[in-house]
Amino acid sequence: DLQLTQSPSFLSASVGDRVTITCRASHGIYSYLAWYRQKPGKVPELLIYGASTLQSGVPSRFSGSGSGTDFTLTISSLQPEDFATYYCQHLNSYPVTFGGGTKVEIK
Amino acid sequence: EVQLVESGGGSVQPGRSLRLACEASGFTFNDYAMNWVRQVPGKGLEWVASITWNSGRKGYADSVKGRFTISRDNAKNSLYLQMNSLRPDDMAVYYCAKSLYHDILTGHDAFDFWGQGTMVTVSS
Repeated sequence: DLQLTQSPSFLSASVGDRVTITCRASHGIYSYLAWYRQKPGKVPELLIYGASTLQSGVPSRFSGSGSGTDFTLTISSLQPEDFATYYCQHLNSYPVTFGGGTKVEIK
Repeated sequence: EVQLVESGGGSVQPGRSLRLACEASGFTFNDYAMNWVRQVPGKGLEWVASITWNSGRKGYADSVKGRFTISRDNAKNSLYLQMNSLRPDDMAVYYCAKSLYHDILTGHDAFDFWGQGTMVTVSS
């Protein structure tokens, strides 16, 4: 089965920082990758799909890039509500999988 | 407004069964694929199963294949997850999630709306 490896698992950052999270697939998945944010105690929210398409209503400080095996989620200027856990997800084939998550904490 | 409301969770002994339901509203249910995702509190997300708009294709995580069955009733705007032979490692919050498209494998799909989840506890 395809594996998704996110890095880092944890990161500490300050409001206003530029943050980059990476997701590596064990084999190529074209651009069939999505990113989610899960705030503490809340359900996941879709941020990006198709590797780089911003979901409607999501702030433009979020961007995604990559194709094949290497993907990135970038937050251009971290806001207080962005302290959360981020997950990547592939939808290339069954079984679908999520990455292990990246927890973004306040420095 | 899209709403997904899960029900059917609870506490059950190992080896027993539960049936989860998800009632959808605010969108044309039979146009979209639907999904179940679970999460052990404090842990990561785990995809469980997906079903296409017309029930023509279903997919399962290896961890539940042969024990869980996903189904839908488009006339009732409802999604189901029949869970048999439950194990302690099935204990989690189970979320119902709507897909962007009618089949998650058609391309750039993702899960754009999620329910609040229902807790399943498996313990003797």
